[in-house]
Amino acid sequence: QKEVEQNSGPLSVPEGAIASLNCTYSDRGSQSFFWYRQYSGKSPELIMSIYSNGDKEDGRFTAQLNKASQYVSLLIRDSQPSDSATYLCAVSGLDYGGSQGNLIFGKGTKLSVKP
Amino acid sequence: GAGVSQSPSNKVTEKGKDVELRCDPISGHTALYWYRQSLGQGLEFLIYFQGNSAPDKSGLPSDRFSAERTGGSVSTLTIQRTQQEDSAVYLCASSTRTVNQPQHFGDGTRLSIL
Repeated sequence: QKEVEQNSGPLSVPEGAIASLNCTYSDRGSQSFFWYRQYSGKSPELIMSIYSNGDKEDGRFTAQLNKASQYVSLLIRDSQPSDSATYLCAVSGLDYGGSQGNLIFGKGTKLSVKP
Repeated sequence: GAGVSQSPSNKVTEKGKDVELRCDPISGHTALYWYRQSLGQGLEFLIYFQGNSAPDKSGLPSDRFSAERTGGSVSTLTIQRTQQEDSAVYLCASSTRTVNQPQHFGDGTRLSIL
């Protein structure tokens, strides 16, 4: 069974701090990794994609991928109360769920940024 | 450009009735996915379509659930003889192709079974 694991949280950080969200996945063949943000009562919104080892930065967000450790993380710098949401990690690759390329989602980490 | 469009946004119906949920993907996206999300829970994959290939129905929870996609574009998810446990938000997503591409979600249909 292919799995994507996330700490459910809640993760609470003060405003202005760095929030670190982590995700592990079970299949070494995974090729693509995504972070989605989901506000309460809303649908998931894509915020980051990463395909190769290392860091990828986009504004206050940095995605980090380590395929050897099967680990992907999301750092949010200068966290704001508006960043409070559930963050979903999603992984794609051959053979996931029997559907080539289908995304497997973690259950999400709830982030709370306190003013 | 226009995103994934779902209708209705809310649906309330009585137990035992049939419901149809509609999804219009982003123009040019060949892959279309349906998910279900119960309150406070993660995403549950239901079914996906890729072009003219046979759909992957491996996530459908029972034979009361079915979906079709006409002309490679609009999709309809049908739930027959609804049960209270079918109450959830039904999300549709689309992508340019299946392999290694992100999915873009619609706003969902909130289904409530009385």
